[in-house]
Amino acid sequence: DSGVTQTPKHLITATGQRVTLRCSPRSGDLSVYWYQQSLDQGLQFLIQYYNGEERAKGNILERFSAQQFPDLHSELNLSSLELGDSALYFCASSVEASGGEQYFGPGTRLTVT
Amino acid sequence: QKEVEQDPGPLSVPEGAIVSLNCTYSNSAFQYFMWYRQYSRKGPELLMYTYSSGNKEDGRFTAQVDKSSKYISLFIRDSQPSDSATYLCAMSVLSGANNLFFGTGTRLTVIP
Repeated sequence: DSGVTQTPKHLITATGQRVTLRCSPRSGDLSVYWYQQSLDQGLQFLIQYYNGEERAKGNILERFSAQQFPDLHSELNLSSLELGDSALYFCASSVEASGGEQYFGPGTRLTVT
Repeated sequence: QKEVEQDPGPLSVPEGAIVSLNCTYSNSAFQYFMWYRQYSRKGPELLMYTYSSGNKEDGRFTAQVDKSSKYISLFIRDSQPSDSATYLCAMSVLSGANNLFFGTGTRLTVIP
């Protein structure tokens, strides 16, 4: 158990809908990262927050957004969902803003039908 | 060309064998190198973490980084059936954005 928690474990929804994925980092970690893992793309970085502020952006679509709250948990919002958004979404956390080990949560499996 | 290249395998070895997993990369700014183990689409589990060049050993696992060749390796000694998983290499730069760049993963099966 990495100490990173994610909810829900599974999510099935229809195209065009909006969903919210939630992540709680390890105790003491200030950085939260979101990654997407699909069969054809592997693990891709989406976005990083550090102590409530956006730190870095990767290949995140405009339909996707995230935020980190004062208690350091983070939410990833996915809207206008398409079939191609079906994937595993992982949250990771680390102590520092740069460098340092990243610990991953168990993931949320999103299926868009 | 992808920034991180990893042979996807699959790789099958008998129990007790020494396993060698490798990645190459193109970005010379990478300074942090990690190996993750992922069981059947579960969350990646951090196995090894190294900074810059050199070797690091932890039990049956040894990580090597050769920055001059842009090449990293993970060796697993006395492999066990429980080592059967997908192994992902990952790396990041020294400062600024801390996101990880992952290889595609190598699927390993250790046969009893």
